[in-house]
Amino acid sequence: GAVVSQHPSRVICKSGTSVKIECRSLDFQATTMFWYRQFPKKSLMLMATSNEGSKATYEQGVEKDKFLINHASLTLSTLTVTSAHPEDSSFYICSAETPGQSSDEQFFGPGTRLTVL
Amino acid sequence: DAKTTQPPSMDCAEGRAANLPCNHSTISGNEYVYWYRQIHSQGPQYIIHGLKNNETNEMASLIITEDRKSSTLILPHATLRDTAVYYCIVGGGYQKVTFGTGTKLQVIP
Repeated sequence: GAVVSQHPSRVICKSGTSVKIECRSLDFQATTMFWYRQFPKKSLMLMATSNEGSKATYEQGVEKDKFLINHASLTLSTLTVTSAHPEDSSFYICSAETPGQSSDEQFFGPGTRLTVL
Repeated sequence: DAKTTQPPSMDCAEGRAANLPCNHSTISGNEYVYWYRQIHSQGPQYIIHGLKNNETNEMASLIITEDRKSSTLILPHATLRDTAVYYCIVGGGYQKVTFGTGTKLQVIP
């Protein structure tokens, strides 16, 4: 299957700082990528849909000014958590759709564990 | 809200078939049924998907009822490495997907 990578895999930061997470599709071009957040023992919650060359679409309750998404190329989307606080500590996961078919399955990255002190 | 209902947990003996059910009574005609699994602290892994017909690949089989209101994922010979949370999702056709709470499968030696 298609491969999606994320970087970094883990990050620890101080409260008030910003953190950037990268999501790359390694062997295919992804016009659409998705960003999820997962708290301990909970399911994945979709945060936003990232479309190459256009603004991201955010889910209800997700602050677009706090979670900045950039999808500058067909293989890279970035999520920046601005002014991070301890409650932003979570497992952030991206996924990308394989293009060209209506039955697109999503391929997920390995996730980034963010800890805000 | 998730469009699927799954039992919260199941046990399966190693080497036996694991049958994971999923109800999706509100599925629409162009929506696919997808199965993913998530092993602890990893990203979800795609397993299989189908529209109407039963599907089989190297990982699993997917049985979809004729009315498409439910499906069953079958792992034919469960191993300890199959212990994970299994998510049944309906969607696709360029629609976003919503994860439910999934089924936590524990494979027992």
